[in-house]
Amino acid sequence: RKEVEQDPGPFNVPEGATVAFNCTYSNSASQSFFWYRQDCRKEPKLLMSVYSSGNEDGRFTAQLNRASQYISLLIRDSKLSDSATYLCVSKTGANNLFFGTGTRLTVIP
Amino acid sequence: DVKVTQSSRYLVKRTGEKVFLECVQDMDHENMFWYRQDPGLGLRLIYFSYDVKMKEKGDIPEGYSVSREKKERFSLILESASTNQTSMYLCASSLDSNQPQHFGDGTRLSIL
Repeated sequence: RKEVEQDPGPFNVPEGATVAFNCTYSNSASQSFFWYRQDCRKEPKLLMSVYSSGNEDGRFTAQLNRASQYISLLIRDSKLSDSATYLCVSKTGANNLFFGTGTRLTVIP
Repeated sequence: DVKVTQSSRYLVKRTGEKVFLECVQDMDHENMFWYRQDPGLGLRLIYFSYDVKMKEKGDIPEGYSVSREKKERFSLILESASTNQTSMYLCASSLDSNQPQHFGDGTRLSIL
């Protein structure tokens, strides 16, 4: 079983739509969680950390549910520039990062 | 802004060659990492280093070695390249174990 699992998509949504991605993790000892964004043929870039209480950054909201071992990313008012692959990441121990395979989002005009 | 620089964006080598991939970060980060990324498999950790001359194996170290002689530089070495090492290689660094990782642009390596 993979440490982190995501729906690969693709998610095709119209501009202005709200879209949500979920990600499950298998290790209950995971301590930290992140969402990274990766554009085609580019490196992953940190989008946001995920805090236990949930956190928001503009149009993006991240939430953590430890009981069910999943994290989510909500994007409101989707823009064309949001088209990318979103990687869910869990961290266990000092340097053990586990990446999901990514969820591909395409925002359509 | 954190800058992680990988020496090559694209590299083509032959089977059996010794290949060096270089990574440099300019933010005095303690930790540096090498990943490979393959379709359907996501990012997989090859090796990481938490200090100069220190290294730890990741999930898939076989066929690779690393070198960290200076804090800012972390090299990945393919001792004898094989075709199954064709991949996108990503270097990352983090200030310490509690901070998120920042990635370089990646090196797309093809082994013929």
